[in-house]
Amino acid sequence: GAGVSQSPRYKVAKRGQDVALRCDPISGHVSLFWYQQALGQGPEFLTYFQNEAQLDKSGLPSDRFFAERPEGSVSTLKIQRTQQEDSAVYLCASSPSGLAGTGELFFGEGSRLTVL
Amino acid sequence: QKEVEQNSGPLSVPEGAIASLNCTYSDRGSQSFFWYRQYSGKSPELIMFIYSNGDKEDGRFTAQLNKASQYVSLLIRDSQPSDSATYLCALTPRAGTASKLTFGTGTRLQVTL
Repeated sequence: GAGVSQSPRYKVAKRGQDVALRCDPISGHVSLFWYQQALGQGPEFLTYFQNEAQLDKSGLPSDRFFAERPEGSVSTLKIQRTQQEDSAVYLCASSPSGLAGTGELFFGEGSRLTVL
Repeated sequence: QKEVEQNSGPLSVPEGAIASLNCTYSDRGSQSFFWYRQYSGKSPELIMFIYSNGDKEDGRFTAQLNKASQYVSLLIRDSQPSDSATYLCALTPRAGTASKLTFGTGTRLQVTL
């Protein structure tokens, strides 16, 4: 497809379960970002990749959160031992060249995680 | 103090009126500023970006930046019901820091018939 694809679109997990969220960015986009958006809030930065290198993970809220992009294309955000406060929409965004130029990020539709 | 502050709204304007959305930021060294629109249940999409002080117009949208006062605004002329959405202000930090967009909480705009 032409846009950023995320899966699953909806995920319900029991507290303590591990979850994995996938992002397939626009082909050729070098930069990939993960954001967390709680209800009624703006997106909060989690982590940033340039190709396969994770250049910034300062936004990951705890060591339960882990992200990877091993071949510089598809990325996976993994959350271990989920907690109720992890319930949010997880947005993936890609960009051809980071935030240079227009700074436009192309967002996927998000993965809505609900932890019971 | 939050890096990016917006009034959550809702801001209600009648169809055809001008909607004025405001955003203030705390880091005077912030580089670039963006307005994203997010429809309910959808992902954000870029409307405009602005780097320099002053106004930048694109169709019905005008972005205004005042770095001395640390605010950025978005004006929407001839507001339409289809403009009803949440508008997110975002910025990039000062040069040499992390390369990311920092978002505000968004202002919800309602355009009434």
